[in-house]
Amino acid sequence: SQQGEEDPQALSIQEGENATMNCSYKTSINNLQWYRQNSGRGLVHLILIRSNEREKHSGRLRVTLDTSKKSSSLLITASRAADTASYFCAPDSGYSTLTFGKGTMLLVSP
Amino acid sequence: DVKVTQSSRYLVKRTGEKVFLECVQDMDHENMFWYRQDPGLGLRLIYFSYDVKMKEKGDIPEGYSVSREKKERFSLILESASTNQTSMYLCATTAGSYEQYFGPGTRLTVT
Repeated sequence: SQQGEEDPQALSIQEGENATMNCSYKTSINNLQWYRQNSGRGLVHLILIRSNEREKHSGRLRVTLDTSKKSSSLLITASRAADTASYFCAPDSGYSTLTFGKGTMLLVSP
Repeated sequence: DVKVTQSSRYLVKRTGEKVFLECVQDMDHENMFWYRQDPGLGLRLIYFSYDVKMKEKGDIPEGYSVSREKKERFSLILESASTNQTSMYLCATTAGSYEQYFGPGTRLTVT
């Protein structure tokens, strides 16, 4: 499996602003997944985008995928304090395991 | 909804003790995983299993073993706990090449 690298490592914004996180990976993928982790808890799956998709939406989340640049971005619109969490990407190359990076720590202040 | 439970949220053990961390899922998923998560290092895969009695080493298996006697249960064993095994341990499960479902985590402290 391959590891995604999230950027930035940390992001601090005000409520109502948009938050954008990026993920880069190295080899071809079947799909790419984004997860959220609230402090001290397990990861929660947010969204999966397949290699033949360019954009996907889920509520306030928008994920894009550019396979030519081997990168993905996660946009959270109109952020809320409850969005404060760490966000991880996981590129899936079709092996049986995923490798998670170190994540982006998002802080949304009221 | 998939439910993944872990036996303890917090655990304190002494150096040299044998430690069992248990994970149970209720969705009949074939694949189960054990990760540890440390500040600055992210999640690292310890072991995984894709069927009963099957196990595969992950990236950091040293000092750990696993057991999967039933499909729904995957146990992580620290044969002789050491202080460098103080960490957050996360169990996850998946039906295939799709999303993983995580348990709430066990924060283990070895003193």
